This record gives sequence, structure tokens and C-alpha cells, in this order.
Amino acid sequence: QVQLKETGPDLVQLTQTLSITCTVSGFSLTTYNVHWVRQPPGKGLEWMGAMWNGGGTDYNSAFKSRLSISRDTSKSQVFLKMNSLQTDDTAKYFCARLNYGPGYFDYWGQGVMVTVSS
Amino acid sequence: DTVLTQSPALAVSPGERVSISCRASEGVNSYMHWYQQKPGQQPKLLIYKASNLASGVPARFSGSGSGTDFTLTIDPVEADDTATYFCQQSWNDPFTFGSGTKLEIK
Repeated sequence: QVQLKETGPDLVQLTQTLSITCTVSGFSLTTYNVHWVRQPPGKGLEWMGAMWNGGGTDYNSAFKSRLSISRDTSKSQVFLKMNSLQTDDTAKYFCARLNYGPGYFDYWGQGVMVTVSS
Repeated sequence: DTVLTQSPALAVSPGERVSISCRASEGVNSYMHWYQQKPGQQPKLLIYKASNLASGVPARFSGSGSGTDFTLTIDPVEADDTATYFCQQSWNDPFTFGSGTKLEIK
């Protein structure tokens, strides 16, 4: 069955770099797109960016200068890296599979809660 | 960016009908989707493209709307429907989400 699982640190120091891995199973990264969405505590959801099935990427301009998304198809993994972390980057980070045509997220990982500490 | 506006909270009794609205700052055609999120969990898809029920979702949930005004309806509401409901549009770049409507079952 389709699964996505995020792994990453619980705590990151201010101004440091966040690295999170999304490991997927039950589908191929060359067929489906995987996106990153984050949610600050008690707040709404924010789309961050995408890894397209063809290998291209797309980013929310709010993050463009400090966000990088990549993948390793042989390991079925998508990677998020974001630098220059600030306290307002404290959030739960989700990866989600996109159903491309209509543009909805049909499967989500459980998320990883990251706290940026000063 | 397309701003999606949702009322922050609603409270209803079991067995009642509830409608949750989502208004877009610009047209999104029918490319509006709805998710349910319970505390500590990931969002779960309920409705896609305004009115299509996702697989495994009870028929108590329905969606309507097009353009800028959309509604998620739950009828009848059950205690287990306590959650926050988010809308999301995929017509305009970037994808955006509403701020969520927290549904309380009295």
C-alpha cells in the first residue's frame, strides 16, 4: 500500500540547516509527484515545494532562496533542505503525494515536528 | 497568491447538518479540495475537485461550489467528526490552503 514517512531532527539550532527525508513505498517517484507542506503549531498548512515525477522542482517563492528539494529514485526518497532557520520555521513538516491532474494530495506522511531553538 | 478564507470555528450537535465555507480571493474553477485533520494526525482527503468524494469517505460528506465560493457539508454530523477542516486550491500557483475551520461536536 502507499506510504510516506518523514524522518528528521526534532531540534535544529537557529540559523542552521534543516534536512528531512521522505521515504515512500507503494508507488514510484518517477510516476508521482511528492510535495512538502508544513504546519506551525496550532496554525494552518503552508505549501513549500514539489519534486515532480520528471525530476524537476518547484518552490513557493516564500522559501525559494533557502529551500532545496531533491530525490534519490533508487531509494524512493525525497529530500528537503532548508537553510538559515528561524524560530518561525518551527513546524510539523509533511511530505504528501500529489494526484497531478486535479492537484490534490491523496496520501500524506505522519509528519515530523521540528523545533528551531535559540 | 490565492487567499482562501474559512470561518475559524463551528459547534453543532450530533445528527445536525453543518456547512463549512471556503471563499477564494480569485477564481479557482472547480479545483478546490477538502481535508479533515484530527489533532496530532496528518490531513486526510475528503473531497476533491469541489464535489467528488474521496475513496473510503462516508457519504455523509459532500462538497459543492465553483469559482470562488465552496462548501463542505456534513449531514448528519457524528461525534467522530470533531476535527479541523481545510480547503486547498490547485488552480493557481502556488497551491494554497485555507486557515482551517475547527468543528466542535456539542
